[in-house]
Amino acid sequence: DIQLTQSPSFLSASVGDRVTITCRASQGISSFLAWYQQEPAKAPKFLIYAASTLQSGVPSRFSGSGSGTEFTLTISSLQPEDFATYYCQQLNSYPLTFGGGTKVEIK
Amino acid sequence: EVQLVESGGNLVQPGGSLRLSCAASGFTFSDHYMEWVRQAPGKGLEWVGLSRNKARSYTTEYAASVQGRFTILRDDSKNSLYLQMNSLKTEDTAVYYCARRPLVGGRHFDYWGQGTLVTVSS
Repeated sequence: DIQLTQSPSFLSASVGDRVTITCRASQGISSFLAWYQQEPAKAPKFLIYAASTLQSGVPSRFSGSGSGTEFTLTISSLQPEDFATYYCQQLNSYPLTFGGGTKVEIK
Repeated sequence: EVQLVESGGNLVQPGGSLRLSCAASGFTFSDHYMEWVRQAPGKGLEWVGLSRNKARSYTTEYAASVQGRFTILRDDSKNSLYLQMNSLKTEDTAVYYCARRPLVGGRHFDYWGQGTLVTVSS
């Protein structure tokens, strides 16, 4: 199975900060990676697919990059509604696996 | 508007069975692959399994942790997805989400339901 390691697992940031979350795969997955946002007690929300393609309606302050084994999710200017937990997911092979999550909290 | 509504979560004893349902609306259910994902209390997301569409003979895939105990079914005439869970273990306690895979663009999950809670405890 392909393991995904997210870092950091927790980060504290202020409104307006630039935030970067890293997702590393245990083997190459090309660009078969998605990102999701989950607010407390809510279902995950889909943000990005193919490592860098933004889902329609997702604010442009979100961006994704990477290929192979290393990927990043960047929020260019953190907004109050962005405080949530973020998960990466590899879509290269079964079983589909998720990273452990990165919780973004208000500093 | 795409909607996925799960139901059927409950408290069940270890070794017991439970069937979850996911009612879909707002899209042509029969065209899409559908997935189940779960989240144990305070933990991350875990993929449970996949149901492909009729064109792919409704074939399924499962996580190793549920293989042989869980079965994904679907009834396209009722726009519904099901998760039959047998031989439940305490570690199956989680919120279970159904999710839709888009027709094009990749294997990601573009819409999720609100989830239903399954508690396995004596």
